[in-house]
Amino acid sequence: KQEVTQIPAALSVPEGENLVLNCSFTDSAIYNLQWFRQDPGKGLTSLLLIQSSQREQTSGRLNASLDKSSGRSTLYIAASQPGDSATYLCAVAGYSTLTFGKGTMLLVSP
Amino acid sequence: EPEVTQTPSHQVTQMGQEVILRCVPISNHLYFYWYRQILGQKVEFLVSFYNNEISEKSEIFDDQFSVERPDGSNFTLKIRSTKLEDSAMYFCASNQRESSYEQYFGPGTRLTVT
Repeated sequence: KQEVTQIPAALSVPEGENLVLNCSFTDSAIYNLQWFRQDPGKGLTSLLLIQSSQREQTSGRLNASLDKSSGRSTLYIAASQPGDSATYLCAVAGYSTLTFGKGTMLLVSP
Repeated sequence: EPEVTQTPSHQVTQMGQEVILRCVPISNHLYFYWYRQILGQKVEFLVSFYNNEISEKSEIFDDQFSVERPDGSNFTLKIRSTKLEDSAMYFCASNQRESSYEQYFGPGTRLTVT
């Protein structure tokens, strides 16, 4: 059974810092990996999707990497802003399901 | 930009009552999903649906749950006799194909069972 772990559980940084969120998964037989953002009490906003054959994806200040063989992904956020404050979820895709981690709660202070 | 919509945004019901949560997937998508998130916990897969059939379901998706695509646009999740532990945020998602294709999520329905 796929298990997804995200470290750290919470992170607090001052505005402007670069930061890295970590995601690990136990079964490397995945189709893709998605990073989501979730604001309190809200839905899931897809940030980046990395196909299993890819090593990284970039969108603006976000860069996600994938090392499928070691079961790891990282989400790099450059020049963090207070508006980046949210919970970031990692999810790995099996054939027809997504398995989610519990998330990293990020607080960026002005 | 097309998006997945869900209604209602918040539903309050009494224990033992039936509830139906509604979703309108993106129009050219063929695969549909329900997930739930109990407060403070992980998002959990419930069921996937394709070609008017369940493709896969989790252990959570027991006989109290059912899904249906009653017409060309709606996708519903029914809980027959709600329990307190069914209180959660329920998310609908869709994509064009399974596996490597990105799943698009709706805003969720918050279900509160009292």
